[in-house]
Amino acid sequence: SQQGEEDPQALSIQEGENATMNCSYKTSINNLQWYRQNSGRGLVHLILIRSNEREKHSGRLRVTLDTSKKSSSLLITASRAADTASYFCATDNSGGSNYKLTFGKGTLLTVNP
Amino acid sequence: NAGVMQNPRHLVRRRGQEARLRCSPMKGHSHVYWYRQLPEEGLKFMVYLQKENIIDESGMPKERFSAEFPKEGPSILRIQQVVRGDSAAYFCASSPNVGIGTDTQYFGPGTRLTVL
Repeated sequence: SQQGEEDPQALSIQEGENATMNCSYKTSINNLQWYRQNSGRGLVHLILIRSNEREKHSGRLRVTLDTSKKSSSLLITASRAADTASYFCATDNSGGSNYKLTFGKGTLLTVNP
Repeated sequence: NAGVMQNPRHLVRRRGQEARLRCSPMKGHSHVYWYRQLPEEGLKFMVYLQKENIIDESGMPKERFSAEFPKEGPSILRIQQVVRGDSAAYFCASSPNVGIGTDTQYFGPGTRLTVL
């Protein structure tokens, strides 16, 4: 598997349900970021969590980080149709170039009205 | 505060032509990064620039690709003699110089290059 790999690849839920996406990575990191990309559009930064943090909240988003397992999860609560998008995690590399973000292939979330 | 600007948003070129992609970072940002996204893939790092300096171009193909960030004006990603395999979305990101949030990269809307 590659650095910054998300699962599941695709997730379909009903409006109002919660959506959980996971990300695994291989190297040591300084921080991990989650981005959203609507179809054919640019990336929107959602949240950054540092390696010494375990959990972070922003509105309906909750991100956890487990550095021992090299994994992170993104939880979107009370989902809306407008949350339909691809979600990517991006990691830096604390042992190398910390500006060089590595992205996975993303999780395609579909929220059905 | 306007976000990262990229133009054109869509660019069509025939094989062998040149493609020029422009990126204006957010105000107050002097760090620029270029990434490429192939269909159904995540973004791949290409190059990191500061004003008048290429800091890291390890992700950029050795031939036909070049990038610059002049003292004045936008950053330019230039692809010479394009081939079909260059068809992709090219994203630019920027980050601030100092202070809180220096490690957050803010992305532009991308330029979708299609090579016929």
